[in-house]
Amino acid sequence: DIVLTQSPALAVSLEQRATISCKTSQNVDNYGISYMHWYQQKPGQQPKLLIYEGSNLASGIPARFSGSGSGTDFTLTIDPVEADDIATYYCQQSKDYPDTFGAGTKLELK
Amino acid sequence: EVQLVESGGGLVQPGRSLKLSCAASGFTFSNYYMAWVRQAPKKGLEWVATISTSGSRTYYPDSVKGRFTISRDNAKSSLYLQMNSLKSEDTATYYCARHNRGYTYYGYWGQGVMVTVSS
Repeated sequence: DIVLTQSPALAVSLEQRATISCKTSQNVDNYGISYMHWYQQKPGQQPKLLIYEGSNLASGIPARFSGSGSGTDFTLTIDPVEADDIATYYCQQSKDYPDTFGAGTKLELK
Repeated sequence: EVQLVESGGGLVQPGRSLKLSCAASGFTFSNYYMAWVRQAPKKGLEWVATISTSGSRTYYPDSVKGRFTISRDNAKSSLYLQMNSLKSEDTATYYCARHNRGYTYYGYWGQGVMVTVSS
């Protein structure tokens, strides 16, 4: 299985930039598409899709969120961070069976 | 508006069975692959099962293969998860999720239903 590694937590100040990383144990690109996706989960709520295929913003998601990277190194950037962004962020790969998720990065206020 | 509403969770003893349901609305259910994803308490997300649009193809990770069965009723816009031989490690919140058209990511999620496996 492809293993996704995320830092457990990141402390950030409001209106600053947050950079959340996800490293994969194998390349998750194929034919120019990165099969890397990002989700936000607030306490007591279901996950919500933010970014799909590496850098595409999901419908209704603010432009403060962006995704980048390729191969085995990916980044979710939130700029600027707002109070409503305090949540846990998960990356997910769908290049190879089975779909796997990172353990999540909890975004906290500094 | 896409809505996914799970039901059927609860407390069940190890070795017993439970069936979850997910009622879908706000989209043409029969056009989308569907999935179940679970989350153990205070833990991360784990994909559990995926089913094709017609129901003819199903996919599972090794952790549940042979014990869980995903199915769907397109006439009722409903998704199901039959869970047999339940173990304590199956304790989790189970989410119903809609795949995108390319069935690579999960575009919409239900609010989840809790399953507790304990004696």
